[in-house]
Amino acid sequence: DGGITQSPKYLFRKEGQNVTLSCEQNLNHDAMYWYRQDPGQGLRLIYYSQIVNDFQKGDIAEGYSVSREKKESFPLTVTSAQKNPTAFYLCASSIGRTSQETQYFGPGTRLLVL
Amino acid sequence: AQSVAQPEDQVNVAEGNPLTVKCTYSVSGNPYLFWYVQYPNRGLQFLLKYITGDNLVKGSYGFEAEFNKSQTSFHLKKPSALVSDSALYFCAVRDPPSGGYNKLIFGAGTRLAVHP
Repeated sequence: DGGITQSPKYLFRKEGQNVTLSCEQNLNHDAMYWYRQDPGQGLRLIYYSQIVNDFQKGDIAEGYSVSREKKESFPLTVTSAQKNPTAFYLCASSIGRTSQETQYFGPGTRLLVL
Repeated sequence: AQSVAQPEDQVNVAEGNPLTVKCTYSVSGNPYLFWYVQYPNRGLQFLLKYITGDNLVKGSYGFEAEFNKSQTSFHLKKPSALVSDSALYFCAVRDPPSGGYNKLIFGAGTRLAVHP
């Protein structure tokens, strides 16, 4: 987990509410990623960003939005359009985008719906 | 389409015995393969990866994995299991670059339980 921080550890969302999950890294990595983890399904990619001011949709981007205004920060917003947001959200980063590079993960944020 | 399969939901092993966590893959081209471990309510920790070269890859905490191209497998192994190895293990695969972004495709995970 070292070098990547996620906050909060637990987050509660009310019906119709947008919430934002924070991800910060001090590894000087160019690429950052957001994954969603559900029991028995492994991890699924929500969004990724290879450089500042650029990001791309992953496999399950609907109901989510991101920004990448700074190299070290990649916040994820879970919008009210996401009807089943309860999950464990993991942020990751890698030096660059080439396939040999390892992705390193943060400690995660657990999102629960009230 | 690329995919990763971890055929066992759970593996049980006695402390001190060897352990194997299985992973098979299906990708176009040469695969780049990764193993991660996750402890409860924590992020994933990188264990090891295969890119090219020797088929036996050594990683963190005494783990190793063997790449077998003919069987499209990348099983994780450890000669002597510890109770502290009990965790959720994920295999992941990535295709080599084709001019665009490459993402990790994860298996569903295998829970390893090491009993004293």
